[in-house]
Amino acid sequence: DTEVTQTPKHLVMGMTNKKSLKCEQHMGHRAMYWYKQKAKKPPELMFVYSYEKLSINESVPSRFSPECPNSSLLNLHLHALQPEDSALYLCASSQGVAGEETQYFGPGTRLLVL
Amino acid sequence: AQTVTQSQPEMSVQEAETVTLSCTYDTSESDYYLFWYKQPPSRQMILVIRQEAYKQQNATENRFSVNFQKAAKSFSLKISDSQLGDAAMYFCAYSGKGQKLVFGQGTRLTINP
Repeated sequence: DTEVTQTPKHLVMGMTNKKSLKCEQHMGHRAMYWYKQKAKKPPELMFVYSYEKLSINESVPSRFSPECPNSSLLNLHLHALQPEDSALYLCASSQGVAGEETQYFGPGTRLLVL
Repeated sequence: AQTVTQSQPEMSVQEAETVTLSCTYDTSESDYYLFWYKQPPSRQMILVIRQEAYKQQNATENRFSVNFQKAAKSFSLKISDSQLGDAAMYFCAYSGKGQKLVFGQGTRLTINP
């Protein structure tokens, strides 16, 4: 089973709202990732968790706050977002963070910030 | 820094024909991994094929095969007997040891019935 699930599928929020995106995998993977993808562009890496610890933060604004409660779950907490943050947010997981590990992607959460 | 270039923003092919998507990359490493991902409209990104740089044999997965030219730093994807379900954005990606995935800009493939 190579499934990564993400909820919700769609999210509309105002600039003063607080919301969270959720990602789950049950493949026993120890690395999890958040990406942001704008229309017709490749995914941009935001955060990497390895063994439940944050290992990479790609200089993401503090209005995005990741959390890894356990090895299967990854959350992205959103607060005071800007309209330019509207995008598809993808979660991915892999066995480890070594480059040879294939990343498996979830279906994404399509976020619209008004 | 490693870069990945996909020079064809859009391509189209007739159903049942063969199409080749090009990808070149720049790296000074000798050990790395290359991937092709497919992202259909409003659907999940899925792995199509992967290639280990230390392997000389080109990877194949059913109708999908790659032409890996290590010296030329080229990694093209060939889709044989194109089907309507192959319509998608295709991303070429590179990863070195312990490094993050670097994506190309993508090629949008249209299949004409």
